[in-house]
Amino acid sequence: EPEVTQTPSHQVTQMGQEVILRCVPISNHLYFYWYRQILGQKVEFLVSFYNNEISEKSEIFDDQFSVERPDGSNFTLKIRSTKLEDSAMYFCASSEALLGTEALFGQGTRLTVV
Amino acid sequence: TQLLEQSPQFLSIQEGENLTVYCNSSSVFSSLQWYRQEPGEGPVLLVTVVTGGEVKKLKRLTFQFGDARKDSSLHITAAQPGDTGLYLCAGAPSGTYKYIFGTGTRLKVLA
Repeated sequence: EPEVTQTPSHQVTQMGQEVILRCVPISNHLYFYWYRQILGQKVEFLVSFYNNEISEKSEIFDDQFSVERPDGSNFTLKIRSTKLEDSAMYFCASSEALLGTEALFGQGTRLTVV
Repeated sequence: TQLLEQSPQFLSIQEGENLTVYCNSSSVFSSLQWYRQEPGEGPVLLVTVVTGGEVKKLKRLTFQFGDARKDSSLHITAAQPGDTGLYLCAGAPSGTYKYIFGTGTRLKVLA
């Protein structure tokens, strides 16, 4: 069964460092998403991406965040200068379309900023 | 602001009991999804409901989409300890390019 894969599963980084989280969405899916979940809290939308551009982003997704689909298979989330409050689980998801379909999620990357 | 409110937030029941979890919004959704999430893992899709009034069954789980496509329910019959987990509803509000998640229902089934 096709699945969304994310790497690494866990990343520890120093405050102020840049991190790149990687995702391989399901191959025939066209929409890609990043979400985050701070421990014990709700799953929060960060950004959606379609046709090589951002479709929608939340207020969390500020100038420190960027997304890229560099090679047609990977979908990355970059945080330029990490802060302690960026510590969370980051989930990548993809969907075939938007209306009437579902998003399938990866297992997540646990980011710990120290 | 589009919100999906789930109730109850927490539910602790005995094995064999039935339960219903609700997901409500003031927004209309083209579809709603139900996911289950284990600690430290990503949400796993259980079902998608698309048509207003639709009912879908997955073994002991019954999902219903409201006629107006603003709400949904998840009913579990004869709950088992293996049903313990966090249940999330989610949907893409009309006119947006994102899925939003409900507030979640944390279910614990005691043996």
